Amino acid sequence: GQQVMQIPQYQHVQEGEDFTTYCNSSTTLSNIQWYKQRPGGHPVFLIQLVKSGEVKKQKRLTFQFGEAKKNSSLHITATQTTDVGTYFCAGLEYGNKLVFGAGTILRVKS
Amino acid sequence: NAGVTQTPKFRVLKTGQSMTLLCAQDMNHEYMYWYRQDPGMGLRLIHYSVGEGTTAKGEVPDGYNVSRLKKQNFLLGLESAAPSQTSVYFCASSLGSRNQPQHFGDGTRLSIL
Repeated sequence: GQQVMQIPQYQHVQEGEDFTTYCNSSTTLSNIQWYKQRPGGHPVFLIQLVKSGEVKKQKRLTFQFGEAKKNSSLHITATQTTDVGTYFCAGLEYGNKLVFGAGTILRVKS
Repeated sequence: NAGVTQTPKFRVLKTGQSMTLLCAQDMNHEYMYWYRQDPGMGLRLIHYSVGEGTTAKGEVPDGYNVSRLKKQNFLLGLESAAPSQTSVYFCASSLGSRNQPQHFGDGTRLSIL
């Protein structure tokens, strides 16, 4: 079945450093969604990418969807303590269910 | 505007006991979902519903049952709780198809002893 792999599992950065998490699917995706979960909280939708090669930005966050629509990345520029949390990608295969990656836990040292 | 509300927030059960987790949404969403979240495994879909009166199995449905008698409510039942069902359970809803963003409740932390 469809699998969505996310790396790294965990990253600890110094405040001000950049951070990137990668998401890879075993199959071609219809679209990919990204969510953020603060410690002790619930997942919150960040963005959805649909088009091959699509790039979207939200302030310091940059999201990319691969040309083959099988991978995606989230890059945070100059991390802040408010960026702490777990970032999940979720891939939707054509005609199938949304499958979540295991998430990347981001910790920021101030 | 409450969004997605889950009750209870915490519960401790003994092995073999049964219980029902309640999820209510006030956004008039068609789709509703139940997930479990375990360390290092992300969110795994248990069951989902594409509309009132319909339910379907997700990735890990065994040991759980669901009902969607009203559009705004989605119930998750454990008939005979097992320690392997210790987890954090999240309910979510989306406006229409799976292409739509999902809105999550605050979760239910369930421990089975």
